[in-house]
Amino acid sequence: SQTIHQWPATLVQPVGSPLSLECTVEGTSNPNLYWYRQAAGRGLQLLFYSVGIGQISSEVPQNLSASRPQDRQFILSSKKLLLSDSGFYLCAWGGDGGNQPQHFGDGTRLSIL
Amino acid sequence: AQSVAQPEDQVNVAEGNPLTVKCTYSVSGNPYLFWYVQYPNRGLQFLLKYITGDNLVKGSYGFEAEFNKSQTSFHLKKPSALVSDSALYFCAVRDTRRSSNTGKLIFGQGTTLQVKP
Repeated sequence: SQTIHQWPATLVQPVGSPLSLECTVEGTSNPNLYWYRQAAGRGLQLLFYSVGIGQISSEVPQNLSASRPQDRQFILSSKKLLLSDSGFYLCAWGGDGGNQPQHFGDGTRLSIL
Repeated sequence: AQSVAQPEDQVNVAEGNPLTVKCTYSVSGNPYLFWYVQYPNRGLQFLLKYITGDNLVKGSYGFEAEFNKSQTSFHLKKPSALVSDSALYFCAVRDTRRSSNTGKLIFGQGTTLQVKP
């Protein structure tokens, strides 16, 4: 069966520090991968998605970047964190068929001080 | 524009009573619809989907959803609510604006379900 792992579960970082969040998927190949941010336990904002290695699409202009160095690895990064980067970051994977649901990791709670 | 609306921020029901969480959508073409549940500090869990076929779709944990094309709705239902059903629920529709292989979803803003003993 397929599984998705995100780490760390929680992270506290000072303003201006770098960030690296990692997401890996097991049990499937060539998945579509997604990074979301959720503010205040409400709606999801799609940040990036990837349909293959090295292919990254950005949904909103921001202080973050994403990379996909391997088929089942998706990394969210920042060179200098802002206070506004605080939130709950969720990684998800899905098949390339339009009728397939996305499956989510358990998220990373990021607090910027 | 493609969108999903969940008109209620919160739904309160008593344990044992039926529950409904509402969702309406706007999308070009045939809609692919999904419901998810989120417990505190956890990721979203997939509950059920409608792609085609019967308008009543059954999913996990006793939940079901009714697709109504004329009303562009996909309401989530359960005949008898449990306290453990208390969580945040999201409706989503597949984004059909771009290439079909992205699998992107458009999510509603979420509805908090509170089931009281």
